[in-house]
Amino acid sequence: GAVVSQHPSRVICKSGTSVKIECRSLDFQATTMFWYRQFPKQSLMLMATSNEGSKATYEQGVEKDKFLINHASLTLSTLTVTSAHPEDSSFYICSARDPREDVYNEQFFGPGTRLTVL
Amino acid sequence: GDSVTQMEGPVTLSEEAFLTINCTYTATGYPSLFWYVQYPGEGLQLLLKATKADDKGSNKGFEATYRKETTSFHLEKGSVQVSDSAVYFCALTSNSGYALNFGKGTSLLVTP
Repeated sequence: GAVVSQHPSRVICKSGTSVKIECRSLDFQATTMFWYRQFPKQSLMLMATSNEGSKATYEQGVEKDKFLINHASLTLSTLTVTSAHPEDSSFYICSARDPREDVYNEQFFGPGTRLTVL
Repeated sequence: GDSVTQMEGPVTLSEEAFLTINCTYTATGYPSLFWYVQYPGEGLQLLLKATKADDKGSNKGFEATYRKETTSFHLEKGSVQVSDSAVYFCALTSNSGYALNFGKGTSLLVTP
């Protein structure tokens, strides 16, 4: 099946710094990628939908200036948490849609990035 | 809007017990339905899927049938193993988009 990677897997940063998380589709071209946030023992909350070559579509309540998303190529999307604060600590997960799997609307998930802001 | 409701956990079972995790949904049109599993410390993995009414998804001994009349997609396994301990998420995508709408997840613990 299709493989999606994320980097880094874990990051610890000081409050006020910015952190970039990369999401890559390794063996397919992903026209659409998604970013989710998962709080401990809770479900995944969709943050934004990222389409290659265009601006991301953010869900209601997600700050666009806080969570910058760039989908510059068909295999890479990045999420930058700007001026991070402790409340941004969370597990961030990306997924990618494989256009070859259109009939199933299936998404393939990265392993996630654990962000801890001190 | 679309939504998924799944039974609250945690669920604790003995090895070889029968498992049912209930999932119901609300959606317009004809959604695709999924079960994802998240093992401790890992990302989500697709367990099984169904794209139309009466379809049965199956994988690794797990099954779920897309029931349009009851808007349900319950997950079942006849004999669970300790290695099945994980969090299970029911999800759907609507036919108007590709974003996944997840249930809150059900934690399963299987004891020897």
